[in-house]
Amino acid sequence: NAGVTQTPKFQVLKTGQSMTLQCAQDMNHEYMSWYRQDPGMGLRLIHYSVGAGITDQGEVPNGYNVSRSTTEDFPLRLLSAAPSQTSVYFCASSYRRTQNYGYTFGSGTRLTVV
Amino acid sequence: AQSVTQLGSHVSVSEGALVLLRCNYSSSVPPYLFWYVQYPNQGLQLLLKYTSAATLVKGINDFEAEFKKSETSFHLTKPSAHMSDAAEYFCAVSVSNTGGFKTIFGAGTRLFVKA
Repeated sequence: NAGVTQTPKFQVLKTGQSMTLQCAQDMNHEYMSWYRQDPGMGLRLIHYSVGAGITDQGEVPNGYNVSRSTTEDFPLRLLSAAPSQTSVYFCASSYRRTQNYGYTFGSGTRLTVV
Repeated sequence: AQSVTQLGSHVSVSEGALVLLRCNYSSSVPPYLFWYVQYPNQGLQLLLKYTSAATLVKGINDFEAEFKKSETSFHLTKPSAHMSDAAEYFCAVSVSNTGGFKTIFGAGTRLFVKA
């Protein structure tokens, strides 16, 4: 049972480049989300999904796109990378959309935009 | 709207001493409350959660937290700190909404344990 798998673990991008952060879970969790973690700011919600085909914006969605074509996968796309997107990104999933069982987190992707 | 405030970005204790990490929340509806722990270069792990079944919640590694509605607090405690407890701790509040639920995290408290 792998839990939540994020790839890559590290990435360096040049300003203006695009890329996709991958997230996959094998626990049949309905709810998946993306957070970014910045020093002194905790975790901020970027986008979330309550099931396949359904996504919604969180606190800081600008510059990011998501899709949820399957229950297992929830990729995060950076459209045109900016230095302000330098951060650690975490994918998290939870069992049900209507009750909160707490999250299972991936190990994170550390992104640097130069 | 809900929010979470963690008092103290850094807390330092001696090994064997009491650990107390403070969390206050704001929510217009009954919340679910959580504590997560993050070890260096890792993702967050669920430590414990409050879901209205009992006000005193026990978690892993002898941590516990007490929900106090009158004080809107959910402080995390451990009777005796161990060196391995050194990590960053996050309090989170979650409420249901039409799309499912929304979870807001505090800014985190880094715990240092001195030998």
